[in-house]
Amino acid sequence: DIQMTQSPSSLSASVGDRVTITCRASQSISNYLNWYQQKSGEAPKVLIHGTSTLLSGVPSRFSGSGSGTDFTLTINSLQPEDFATYYCQQSYSRSPTFGQGTRVDIK
Amino acid sequence: QITLKESGPMLVKPTQTLTLTCSFSGFSLTTTGVGVGWIRQPPGKALEWVALIYWDDDERYSQSLRPRLTITKDTSKSQVVLRMTNMDPADTGTYYCARRLRDAGIWYPFDYWGQGILVTVSS
Repeated sequence: DIQMTQSPSSLSASVGDRVTITCRASQSISNYLNWYQQKSGEAPKVLIHGTSTLLSGVPSRFSGSGSGTDFTLTINSLQPEDFATYYCQQSYSRSPTFGQGTRVDIK
Repeated sequence: QITLKESGPMLVKPTQTLTLTCSFSGFSLTTTGVGVGWIRQPPGKALEWVALIYWDDDERYSQSLRPRLTITKDTSKSQVVLRMTNMDPADTGTYYCARRLRDAGIWYPFDYWGQGILVTVSS
């Protein structure tokens, strides 16, 4: 299986901050990288697929970049509803794998 | 409208076999490119992909769990069943089923998820 490593595992930020989360794959996955948001007690929701394509309804303050093995999720001007845990996931192969998550807390 | 729902026991004893069923509607596992998978999440911990079955009968398993897993599909019932043997307290967590698509050569993320079922392993 392709291993996905996220950093940091958690961070504290304030409303209005810019937040960056990184994800590294154990081998090249081209641009087949997705980002999910999970709030407490809920199923994950996909925000971005194909590295940088926002799903319908996802605010434009979310953006993704990268290729190969290194990827980034950026949240510009963090909003109260953005405090959650974020996961990357590779969809390069038929066996998808997730990163270990980044929890975004209120500072 | 696409829905998925997990069902099964919420409490199992150590060494027992867990059988979970994902019942879905709004799509078919006979359609090219469709897959249904299981993802689990121990309390307070990360998501872990467990297994997937595809429209073409291809079965995929997490390497770390593979010896204990079997995933099957019943297309007539629109169900996917996961069996996990030799359950351990470390397997306690919420188990989700979710849909995945392949289209024009691109694998997409899990786009629809069930609500999840909390399974506790305890004697």
